[in-house]
Amino acid sequence: EADIYQTPRYLVIGTGKKITLECSQTMGHDKMYWYQQDPGMELHLIHYSYGVNSTEKGDLSSESTVSRIRTEHFPLTLESARPSHTSQYLCASSRALSNQPQHFGDGTRLSIL
Amino acid sequence: GEDVEQSLFLSVREGDSSVINCTYTDSSSTYLYWYKQEPGAGLQLLTYIFSNMDMKQDQRLTVLLNKKDKHLSLRIADTQTGDSAIYFCAESAAGNTGKLIFGQGTTLQVKP
Repeated sequence: EADIYQTPRYLVIGTGKKITLECSQTMGHDKMYWYQQDPGMELHLIHYSYGVNSTEKGDLSSESTVSRIRTEHFPLTLESARPSHTSQYLCASSRALSNQPQHFGDGTRLSIL
Repeated sequence: GEDVEQSLFLSVREGDSSVINCTYTDSSSTYLYWYKQEPGAGLQLLTYIFSNMDMKQDQRLTVLLNKKDKHLSLRIADTQTGDSAIYFCAESAAGNTGKLIFGQGTTLQVKP
């Protein structure tokens, strides 16, 4: 079973605040991903990483940034939150070999007032 | 470009079989996946099938792949109320990025 953890699970915060969403995995997976998902809707890839010091933009443009200093940790940061950032953010990871399944965390539901 | 399409909603009675359908466009996809998402949760990997297979069965789940028509289906036998969720079909994107292309998700409603 996959071990990938996201914190916080829920966050309600005011406009203009700096936010960091945490994602950690204990499986030693090289590849990690961030998705944005509105409730009940499709997933949009916003960032991914092949490994340490690798970050790439996803298919959906996002004002967020990511870093990958350690294999197990892939935090996502919003420098100045806006109501348009309200959404669910899902983190996933997979092994380095191609076509390996992605394993997901439980997500962070973010609401910007 | 790569695209995955699913019907949006399916309603069945408890004990019946459910069949969720998916079509994809990228014939080079090596793996195809089914994920389940319960309310407020992340995605749970249910099963996946390699593109050189026609069928894969895992307990109540049966995956059928028609590569010629680029059609994938997930059959859930003896559907239970706990199966109510959103089901996402996904194909592996071209290249070695590890990226997945997801469908819009099918909401399965199971009536008692």
